[in-house]
Amino acid sequence: ETGVTQSPTHLIKTRGQQVTLRCSSQSGHNTVSWYQQALGQGPQFIFQYYREEENGRGNFPPRFSGLQFPNYSSELNVNALELDDSALYLCASSPAGLAGRGNTGEAFFGQGTRLTVV
Amino acid sequence: EDQVTQSPEALRLQEGESSSLNCSYTVSGLRGLFWYRQDPGKGPEFLFTLYSAGEEKEKERLKATLTKKESFLHITAPKPEDSATYLCAIPTSGSRLTFGEGTQLTVNP
Repeated sequence: ETGVTQSPTHLIKTRGQQVTLRCSSQSGHNTVSWYQQALGQGPQFIFQYYREEENGRGNFPPRFSGLQFPNYSSELNVNALELDDSALYLCASSPAGLAGRGNTGEAFFGQGTRLTVV
Repeated sequence: EDQVTQSPEALRLQEGESSSLNCSYTVSGLRGLFWYRQDPGKGPEFLFTLYSAGEEKEKERLKATLTKKESFLHITAPKPEDSATYLCAIPTSGSRLTFGEGTQLTVNP
C-alpha cells in the first residue's frame, strides 16, 4: 500500500459530460502528478501540481484541468468528454517536484480510476 | 527527444525459467531510471530506482541493472505470481515521468 488513494475506482460517463477525479497524496508528499493510461500502453503524463501550483503539463488539451488543495490532495477535471478519454487515470505523489525542483525521487501511484466514456 | 523503449512487448516463461527484460532510453542527462510492476487494472507499484551506470538493485527474484543506454530487469527462477506488466520510466523535461510501453510477463506453472 502506497498511501495514495483515488476515488472513484470506476466511472461510466456519457460523451460530452464532465467528470472530476480525486486523489489523496501520501503523507508528507507535496507533489501530485496525473497520468492517463490507455489499454496496453504506458502511462502518459497529463500535469503535475507542486504546492498548489501547476508545475508542468503534457500534451493534453485545455479541457483537462486540475487543482491541488492546501492539504496536497488533488482533483483532475475533464470537460466535454470524448470516447478516446476512456482510460485508467493514475495519480502519483512524490516528496518534492521531480526534475525542475531538484529532486528525482520516486513517484508512488494510487490504484487508479477506470473511466469509461460511452 | 527523450524516449523510453521496452522489449519484448510480451514474454511467456515457464516457472523457474530465468530471463531478462530490456529498457533502452534516450535522454540528455539521466536523473534516474525507475522500474514499476503493474497488475491488471491497478496502479504501478514501485520496484527500483537506479541512478548511475553500473548500479544494481535486487529484490527477491528481481535484479535491475543500468548502463549508459539501457537497463535490464533480470528475473531469476520466476513464479506464477511474478506475472504482471513491468514498466520502466525516466524523469524527462520539466517534472514528468516518461514511461515505456511495458513488457507483459506471463509465468506458467
